[in-house]
Amino acid sequence: KNEVEQSPQNLTAQEGEFITINCSYSVGISALHWLQQHPGGGIVSLFMLSSGKKKHGRLIATINIQEKHSSLHITASHPRDSAVYICAVLMDSNYQLIWGAGTKLIIKP
Amino acid sequence: NAGVTQTPKFQVLKTGQSMTLQCAQDMNHNSMYWYRQDPGMGLRLIYYSASEGTTDKGEVPNGYNVSRLNKREFSLRLESAAPSQTSVYFCASRRGLFGYTFGSGTRLTVV
Repeated sequence: KNEVEQSPQNLTAQEGEFITINCSYSVGISALHWLQQHPGGGIVSLFMLSSGKKKHGRLIATINIQEKHSSLHITASHPRDSAVYICAVLMDSNYQLIWGAGTKLIIKP
Repeated sequence: NAGVTQTPKFQVLKTGQSMTLQCAQDMNHNSMYWYRQDPGMGLRLIYYSASEGTTDKGEVPNGYNVSRLNKREFSLRLESAAPSQTSVYFCASRRGLFGYTFGSGTRLTVV
């Protein structure tokens, strides 16, 4: 079993829809990253959080440490949000990142 | 612009050839990393360097070597490329505990 599991693997939605991507993990962590990767592009960090909730524009990330679960929400989705969204956890034992496989999001106009 | 610079962006190798992927950061970060990304899998750590002069194996080090030439540069070498090393390679550096910055990636194909 992977230590970091993301769901869904693929998500296609219409422009304007509310999007939720989930991340569950099984190891002790110091913090959790949400990152974005556009096709052919590099990886950009969206959020780093260790508790509660963070918001940046239309993106919201939440984490529940007790349940070992995090969600990334996108409000009023737009085709430019189409990308792979990756969850990665920073292990508290050695501060290394363990990566989820990513969620490929396509927003149709 | 400050950040992590990787070269080359694309490379095609024949089986058995060698090459070095270059990575440089200008943010004065101590820690640097090499990852590979394969379809359907999360990024996997190949090697990392916690500080200048030190390197350690990650999850998938076989077939690779690294050099931390100085604080800025961390190179990844494939001595004898194999088709299984076809992948996208990312270099990253880290500030403190949380501040990761990634390069734009190197797409390597071994035929």
